[in-house]
Amino acid sequence: SQTIHQWPATLVQPVGSPLSLECTVEGTSNPNLYWYRQAAGRGLQLLFYSVGIGQISSEVPQNLSASRPQDRQFILSSKKLLLSDSGFYLCAWGDKNNQPQHFGDGTRLSIL
Amino acid sequence: SQELEQSPQSLIVQEGKNLTINCTSSKTLYGLYWYKQKYGEGLIFLMMLQKGGEEKSHEKITAKLDEKKQQSSLHITASQPSHAGIYLCGADTPGGSQGNLIFGKGTKLSVKP
Repeated sequence: SQTIHQWPATLVQPVGSPLSLECTVEGTSNPNLYWYRQAAGRGLQLLFYSVGIGQISSEVPQNLSASRPQDRQFILSSKKLLLSDSGFYLCAWGDKNNQPQHFGDGTRLSIL
Repeated sequence: SQELEQSPQSLIVQEGKNLTINCTSSKTLYGLYWYKQKYGEGLIFLMMLQKGGEEKSHEKITAKLDEKKQQSSLHITASQPSHAGIYLCGADTPGGSQGNLIFGKGTKLSVKP
């Protein structure tokens, strides 16, 4: 069966520090991968998606970047965090279009 | 762009009562997904609806997609404390990016024992 792992579960970082959040999927090949941010009162916002290794698309302009160095690995990064980057970050995978996405447990990021 | 509006935003019910959550789209729905989320955790997939008039059930939860495919409802029968959480609807974005979804803001459900 397929599983998705995200880490860390929580992270507290100072403003201006770098960020690296990792997501890995097991039990499937060539999945679509997604990074979302969930902020209070704003719902779930898609940040990046990837349909294959090295292929990244951004949905919103922002201070973050994403990379997919391996088929089942998706990384969310920042060189310098802003206060506005605080939130709950969720990684998800999907097999193909019109199939449900499956989510990781999320990372709670607090910026001080 | 397409938007999903969920109602109510929050709901408190007594254990054993039935309840309904609605998800209304500004455009035709081609794939509608219901998820449940407990605070601070990931989303758990519940059901997917694609055809107008389609209805699916899992245990005490039933989801429907209306004939015109612009609204979906999630109905819980005889609610239990384990049903508490945030329910989100998500929809495919036809003509958009690969497999991307848009989401409603969620409905927070509390069940009083």
